[in-house]
Amino acid sequence: SQTIHQWPATLVQPVGSPLSLECTVEGTSNPNLYWYRQAAGRGLQLLFYSVGIGQISSEVPQNLSASRPQDRQFILSSKKLLLSDSGFYLCAWSVMDSGAGTDTQYFGPGTRLTVL
Amino acid sequence: RKEVEQDPGPFNVPEGATVAFNCTYSNSASQSFFWYRQDCRKEPKLLMSVYSSGNEDGRFTAQLNRASQYISLLIRDSKLSDSATYLCAVNSPPRSGGYNKLIFGAGTRLAVHP
Repeated sequence: SQTIHQWPATLVQPVGSPLSLECTVEGTSNPNLYWYRQAAGRGLQLLFYSVGIGQISSEVPQNLSASRPQDRQFILSSKKLLLSDSGFYLCAWSVMDSGAGTDTQYFGPGTRLTVL
Repeated sequence: RKEVEQDPGPFNVPEGATVAFNCTYSNSASQSFFWYRQDCRKEPKLLMSVYSSGNEDGRFTAQLNRASQYISLLIRDSKLSDSATYLCAVNSPPRSGGYNKLIFGAGTRLAVHP
C-alpha cells in the first residue's frame, strides 16, 4: 500500500529565515505530487504540482519554490520566510486511474509552520 | 464567482439526525468529484468519490447533479465521530493543454452533539 510522509510535523521559524519541507511517497511509482497551503480557517491553496522528476509547475507567485530531485521526493523551500507564509502545508500524491478516469489525491500528515 | 463553493456552516445537529451538504461548481467540463473529511489540525482524508450514478457507503450517500452543477453529501444517523469539516473537490480540466487540477471548496463544518 502507498504511504506518504512529511516532516517536520511542526516548525516555528523567524521572519527572514530559510525553509525546507520534505515529502516522500512509498509504494507507488511516478506519482503526481502536489504542495498545498491551508491558512487558518481557509481552504486549500495549490502551490506547486509535479508530474515527474525535475518538472515543477507553480500555481501562484510567491517567495516559495519546489523541487523534485527523485521520483518520490518533493521539497518545498524558501530563502526568506515572510509572516504570511504561516500555515498548514500539505503534500499530496495521485496516480491516474485510466479505467475510472479519475486522478484521486491523497494527503500527507502536513507540516504546521508558524513564522514569527 | 468561486470555482467551487460550499456553505461554511457550522451545521449543528443531534446524534441520529440526517444532514446534507451541497457543493456547487462553475466549470461544466468537470468530470471528477470527491468528498474529503478533515478533522481539526489534521490532513484531509478521502471520504468518497462521486460517480454520475451516485454512490453509497454505509451511512454516507453522494450524488451528482450535472444540470445544476452541484454535488451533495448525505449523512444518515449522525454520530458524534462524524464531527469534522467536509471538503468537496472538483477537477478543473485545462482549456488548452496543461494540467487537470483539483479545486477544493473551503469546507462545511459539521458538529454533532449528544
